[in-house]
Amino acid sequence: KAGVTQTPRYLIKTRGQQVTLSCSPISGHRSVSWYQQTPGQGLQFLFEYFSETQRNKGNFPGRFSGRQFSNSRSEMNVSTLELGDSALYLCASSLYIPSTDTQYFGPGTRLTVL
Amino acid sequence: ILNVEQSPQSLHVQEGDSTNFTCSFPSSNFYALHWYRWETAKSPEALFVMTLNGDEKKKGRISATLNTKEGYSYLYIKGSQPEDSATYLCAFNPRDSNYQLIWGAGTKLIIKP
Repeated sequence: KAGVTQTPRYLIKTRGQQVTLSCSPISGHRSVSWYQQTPGQGLQFLFEYFSETQRNKGNFPGRFSGRQFSNSRSEMNVSTLELGDSALYLCASSLYIPSTDTQYFGPGTRLTVL
Repeated sequence: ILNVEQSPQSLHVQEGDSTNFTCSFPSSNFYALHWYRWETAKSPEALFVMTLNGDEKKKGRISATLNTKEGYSYLYIKGSQPEDSATYLCAFNPRDSNYQLIWGAGTKLIIKP
């Protein structure tokens, strides 16, 4: 069974630009969560999608948005990039409920904002 | 604001020694606690999901205990090996969080050969 895949793996952007990251979950998994990880910080929850609906959202500004498609693939978008958005962005898929089901993480997308 | 604390932040252990570290979380409104291992250049990998007070889980040389009344979980590694070098993350799920996990910053474990 293929694992969670994320594209691209690395990205360099400049301030003010926008970026779209993609996540393909494990086949059969319907929940996809997105996290931001910066040095010294724990994983910061961005949002979680289930069956094309955003079920939960973390405390991030509206510049961060996402969506999920009917095949459970998910994208997240960051508009008007700021230097502080430089981070590792991880997505994780689970069967139904990330609070009790095991989450399987992708390799992450490393975003650098110059 | 709910907080999950992990201690120590980092740990150097001699190969063959046993070690343990702590995850502290709010004791009220508990629903579940997760442990993950994150090796450098890899993705975080699930170790345990714990839901009941007094739970003990074991996977090879790694085990975990849970005390929901006092709000802590211990992760134990017996006879540390170089491949145990990783950052160990815990994540707390409050009952009313609508599936959102709150993550600790992790304990970085380095095994010295």
